Amino acid sequence: NAGVTQTPKFQVLKTGQSMTLQCAQDMNHNSMYWYRQDPGMGLRLIYYSASEGTTDKGEVPNGYNVSRLNKREFSLRLESAAPSQTSVYFCASSARTGDTEAFFGQGTRLTVV
Amino acid sequence: QKEVEQNSGPLSVPEGAIASLNCTYSDRGSQSFFWYRQYSGKSPELIMFIYSNGDKEDGRFTAQLNKASQYVSLLIRDSQPSDSATYLCAVGVGSSYKLIFGSGTRLLVRP
Repeated sequence: NAGVTQTPKFQVLKTGQSMTLQCAQDMNHNSMYWYRQDPGMGLRLIYYSASEGTTDKGEVPNGYNVSRLNKREFSLRLESAAPSQTSVYFCASSARTGDTEAFFGQGTRLTVV
Repeated sequence: QKEVEQNSGPLSVPEGAIASLNCTYSDRGSQSFFWYRQYSGKSPELIMFIYSNGDKEDGRFTAQLNKASQYVSLLIRDSQPSDSATYLCAVGVGSSYKLIFGSGTRLLVRP
């Protein structure tokens, strides 16, 4: 029972490089989320997808793009990484947006140097 | 103003005491409220959710919601050292109920 799977778990990028964080869930959930977590900042919502085919901005969308590839997969892309994007990134999914339990992946620790 | 606010702590309580964690939110239309626990280096996991005004109890945990005051709290009775973690309040905000988290309160339970 995998739940929410994120890849990679760790990544180091140079400033200006691009990369895509992958997320997949096997719970047949409609909604998926990307958060970043910085020390003392809690979880901040980057983008979310209420259902397949839709995406919406969260609290801190600048510098990121997302793709809801299908119902299972929701990817986060950094086009030109900046040191300010050094963070731990969490993907989550829920049956519906915001009113049911969200299940989290194990996180991706990203360092931009 | 952040949409969901919590005291960062740390909140330190002795073993066996009641720990009280508080959260306020700004969107009066919010309908769903969650408490997550996060151990250091781990992912958040759900402890409780509450939708209606009043109290909801689950074992040692009680969630309290007051929509008029835009306030939600979590009480942990008979606190144990294993309860030491960061507790995150989350609220379904706006017409799309996007899930917004507070910055978390760190709880330390002293043996």
